[in-house]
Amino acid sequence: GAGVSQSPSNKVTEKGKDVELRCDPISGHTALYWYRQSLGQGLEFLIYFQGNSAPDKSGLPSDRFSAERTGGSVSTLTIQRTQQEDSAVYLCASSENQGAEAFFGQGTRLTVV
Amino acid sequence: AQSVTQPDIHITVSEGASLELRCNYSYGATPYLFWYVQSPGQGLQLLLKYFSGDTLVQGIKGFEAEFKRSQSSFNLRKPSVHWSDAAEYFCAVGAFFNFGNEKLTFGTGTRLTIIP
Repeated sequence: GAGVSQSPSNKVTEKGKDVELRCDPISGHTALYWYRQSLGQGLEFLIYFQGNSAPDKSGLPSDRFSAERTGGSVSTLTIQRTQQEDSAVYLCASSENQGAEAFFGQGTRLTVV
Repeated sequence: AQSVTQPDIHITVSEGASLELRCNYSYGATPYLFWYVQSPGQGLQLLLKYFSGDTLVQGIKGFEAEFKRSQSSFNLRKPSVHWSDAAEYFCAVGAFFNFGNEKLTFGTGTRLTIIP
């Protein structure tokens, strides 16, 4: 596609439920990033993929968070047993390679009630 | 590990006035530096970036930024702001070609308000 696509754009879930957030990067982009933006906060790095491997998972806030990327393309971020503090906008970005410009998707706004 | 500080949480300027948004970074080597803009309800858009070479970089929408190694700064400037510049601005530092540490680290952002 023309840009980074994220789905759903909005998600409301009950506390304790699992959610999956999807990111379709720009075709051919090998690097993929997940960030979290909480209200009034900056962007918090979660995880980075180069191809299908994740050399840097240091930003995942707890073991309830996991992410995978298959075929060097689509990535899913899974949050298990969601908590209210997980409410945020989850942003995905992709770039051609290391050091190139990162293009961001519109984000998924997650609300845990 | 790298870090970014944007000291100004919120700035208000008059339309037509000049603008400077501050950004200080911490990184042990030569950094890759970026400014992104986020308009309400929109994703992040790259304004400009610095990798090497000329320390004064030009970006889109009339923005420019100057890399000053001695001050560990990468301030964003615009000579005359327009009402459409009202947005959130994020400075970021990248650590690339450093296996295991390839990521963009963002500052907390500066919200820009434009008054008539």
